[in-house]
Amino acid sequence: TQLLEQSPQFLSIQEGENLTVYCNSSSVFSSLQWYRQEPGEGPVLLVTVVTGGEVKKLKRLTFQFGDARKDSSLHITAAQTGDTGLYLCAGGGVYNTDKLIFGTGTRLQVFP
Amino acid sequence: NAGVTQTPKFRILKIGQSMTLQCTQDMNHNYMYWYRQDPGMGLKLIYYSVGAGITDKGEVPNGYNVSRSTTEDFPLRLELAAPSQTSVYFCASSRIKGDSPLHFGNGTRLTVT
Repeated sequence: TQLLEQSPQFLSIQEGENLTVYCNSSSVFSSLQWYRQEPGEGPVLLVTVVTGGEVKKLKRLTFQFGDARKDSSLHITAAQTGDTGLYLCAGGGVYNTDKLIFGTGTRLQVFP
Repeated sequence: NAGVTQTPKFRILKIGQSMTLQCTQDMNHNYMYWYRQDPGMGLKLIYYSVGAGITDKGEVPNGYNVSRSTTEDFPLRLELAAPSQTSVYFCASSRIKGDSPLHFGNGTRLTVT
C-alpha cells in the first residue's frame, strides 16, 4: 500500500509552460517536504510545509499544504530546462512515527 | 563540508556474494537512514538509527543488516546478494527528529547478477 501518491508520474513540457504536481494521501501528516533529484545524485530538499493551508514560494516554485494536511501541490511557473528532474514529496509524522514516507515521484522533463 | 559520503559509487555482485555499503556524515547528526530507490520509483526505507548503538527496521529490511557504532558511520551489509537487491541505495542523515529534512549522499548503484 502506497501512502503517498504523486501525479502525474511523468511530465514532458516546453520551456515557458506552467505545471502542477500533486501529492495525495488518505493519512494526515505533521509536515510535508518536497525534494528534487537530478540524475546520479541524491534528493535535495526544496521546502518543508507544516501548517494546513500553508503556501510557500521559492522563486518560480509555489508549494501548498492542504487544509487537512493530507495533500500538497507544487506549481512551477514558466518552467526552465534547469527544472528537469525527479520531484519527490515526503510526509512526516504519520502513524505517530518520526520517519518520513516518500511519494512515488514525478519525473519532469523540460525541453528548450 | 562533505556532508553525507557514500562509497562505493557503483558495484556489481554475483548472486550469493556479500558486501558492505559505507556511509559517513560529518554534520554530527543523530539520525541516519538507508533507503533504496528502484527505477522510476520513490524511496523505500530499509533501516534507520536514532543514535550510536540504536538501530531499527524500516519498510524493507529483509536481506540487510546495519550497525551504528559511532555517530558518523552507518554501514549497510548485504549478506547473500539476490537479484531483487539490484537498486540504487541512498544514505541520509537529519539533525533533529526523524521527520526533519534529510541530507542525502549521492548513492551507490548496485547490480546483482
